[in-house]
Amino acid sequence: SQQGEEDPQALSIQEGENATMNCSYKTSINNLQWYRQNSGRGLVHLILIRSNEREKHSGRLRVTLDTSKKSSSLLITASRAADTASYFCATSTSGSRLTFGEGTQLTVNP
Amino acid sequence: GAVVSQHPSRVICKSGTSVKIECRSLDFQATTMFWYRQFPKQSLMLMATSNEGSKATYEQGVEKDKFLINHASLTLSTLTVTSAHPEDSSFYICSARVAGGPTDTQYFGPGTRLTVL
Repeated sequence: SQQGEEDPQALSIQEGENATMNCSYKTSINNLQWYRQNSGRGLVHLILIRSNEREKHSGRLRVTLDTSKKSSSLLITASRAADTASYFCATSTSGSRLTFGEGTQLTVNP
Repeated sequence: GAVVSQHPSRVICKSGTSVKIECRSLDFQATTMFWYRQFPKQSLMLMATSNEGSKATYEQGVEKDKFLINHASLTLSTLTVTSAHPEDSSFYICSARVAGGPTDTQYFGPGTRLTVL
């Protein structure tokens, strides 16, 4: 069954604006990770948040996790054209098996 | 550090032929590697977990006789798509977990674009 579902599927914003992407999941997790994928490329790990954490920051990225709602959000502040990519959440329940969400295609217009 | 490479990056083959894709951990040893498939504008779907020195574990619905996985060393896993058909055309991505490292961290390769004519 689909573990991670993301919304919106596509997001288009202007440079300098903030971008927020959401991820929902169905089962209990150990941690949730966010990845970025440029078109036709591999995945770049952005941030990992554990089930006992509520918020984490890394540079212009802010991730929240609400285990009661089984949801997470990724906020990119002061977006840049170079942030244009697909963003995926991935959950891990046990071991290192990752289940990916459907992804959000972010377009940042210069 | 923790670089994963894939070869080839792009391959075009005729229907019915077999294609081998390599996944290498360049600067670390990986007892476990993972193979994913990604169709255009879709998410990554785990195909199988490759363990060094043992048989791969395939996800439900993935034909193990069609997608042969060999993990013969701590730095190399190969995926062979046998008797490829056009519907096997996809983006194949591998990832690797550092031997003895955190179980929740995977390092991803750049992917291999397979096109079957």
